[in-house]
Amino acid sequence: GAGVSQSPSNKVTEKGKDVELRCDPISGHTALYWYRQSLGQGLEFLIYFQGNSAPDKSGLPSDRFSAERTGGSVSTLTIQRTQQEDSAVYLCASSRNLAGGQETQYFGPGTRLLVL
Amino acid sequence: QKEVEQDPGPLSVPEGAIVSLNCTYSNSAFQYFMWYRQYSRKGPELLMYTYSSGNKEDGRFTAQVDKSSKYISLFIRDSQPSDSATYLCAMSGQGAQKLVFGQGTRLTINP
Repeated sequence: GAGVSQSPSNKVTEKGKDVELRCDPISGHTALYWYRQSLGQGLEFLIYFQGNSAPDKSGLPSDRFSAERTGGSVSTLTIQRTQQEDSAVYLCASSRNLAGGQETQYFGPGTRLLVL
Repeated sequence: QKEVEQDPGPLSVPEGAIVSLNCTYSNSAFQYFMWYRQYSRKGPELLMYTYSSGNKEDGRFTAQVDKSSKYISLFIRDSQPSDSATYLCAMSGQGAQKLVFGQGTRLTINP
């Protein structure tokens, strides 16, 4: 079946503009995650959804960042008033969420964001 | 200090060599340990998954976890040029959904 898809694959924006990044998880996966991968920083957790709820938003770096998920499927990560330090690859992952354990997280190809 | 430390490399070895990749961590609550492989401009893909301490082998890959030392390793035997990628260790605690990643080690296997 289809994997996790993300759009756009690349985004160039000007400082101060808002951007929206989209994630389509694997069908049937109830859990969805956003991570950010910056040069020299590795992968950093941003937010986790279980269904449409976000029980863990601890990784969002500022109130300029927000995310939502609708219909237990598609998720959108929004960055308002972008700054140059927001430039990074934004990765989405999804997993089943069975009781107990750590389910495998399947990653999308990422959205490469460049803020000029 | 980061929760998970991983030498970013780069690491370059000849084809056929045994490769050893390592991570150390500070959070004793971590119970699940993973290795992901990431090719250039692609998302990470899961290679190995280990729960708690011990060894796990899958083909040319062996993962080891030593919780007493807070140290995990990935060994690649008979390395191939197609193994050239960035290898990321990741871990999580019981009941926690988010993964905490190391910085990733960039590996090149030279023909």
